[in-house]
Amino acid sequence: EDKVVQSPLSLVVHEGDTVTLNCSYEVTNFRSLLWYKQEKKAPTFLFMLTSSGIEKKSGRLSSILDKKELFSILNITATQTGDSAVYLCAATKSNTGNQFYFGTGTSLTVIP
Amino acid sequence: DAGVTQSPTHLIKTRGQQVTLRCSPKSGHDTVSWYQQALGQGPQFIFQYYEEEERQRGNFPDRFSGHQFPNYSSELNVNALWLGDSALYLCASSFVRGKEQYFGPGTRLTVT
Repeated sequence: EDKVVQSPLSLVVHEGDTVTLNCSYEVTNFRSLLWYKQEKKAPTFLFMLTSSGIEKKSGRLSSILDKKELFSILNITATQTGDSAVYLCAATKSNTGNQFYFGTGTSLTVIP
Repeated sequence: DAGVTQSPTHLIKTRGQQVTLRCSPKSGHDTVSWYQQALGQGPQFIFQYYEEEERQRGNFPDRFSGHQFPNYSSELNVNALWLGDSALYLCASSFVRGKEQYFGPGTRLTVT
């Protein structure tokens, strides 16, 4: 059975801290891994990763994929209160179109 | 450019009733996927519509059905509601071969 597991389930940090969120996957016919940020309702797209070892960056956020060990990490440096959200990772498969397999998410709370 | 829109925002139903949720995709997108997100969980794939046909389906009973119209908008119907159907229902749109999905704000369904 395909599964995506995220850790930790929740995290509380102080502003300025650096955090690392983990996502491991066991998905047959794996195609890509995506990260989303969900603050209230609609998840918003952060990154899509398809190749191992190539870091993607956007401001203070970065992410990398390891297709050998079947995991991805999302790093957030110099955290701000606006980073407080649930971070979701999702895997896609090459034979199921755009069907996303989501993990349960990591709830991040950044304290001033 | 309007993003993905969903209606209604909130809905309260009683057990055994039927409900219809609506989604309009992002301009130019032709594929609509529906997800159910229970509290504290990641979104679970229900089904995906393209060219007015159901193309992929997740592990949901036949009580969950859908429709896509010629203008690419979509409906999700749930019959014989259970308490366990209470969740945030998310709609996501994409191009059929697109790798990113754009999510709507969701409909919060409460079954009492």
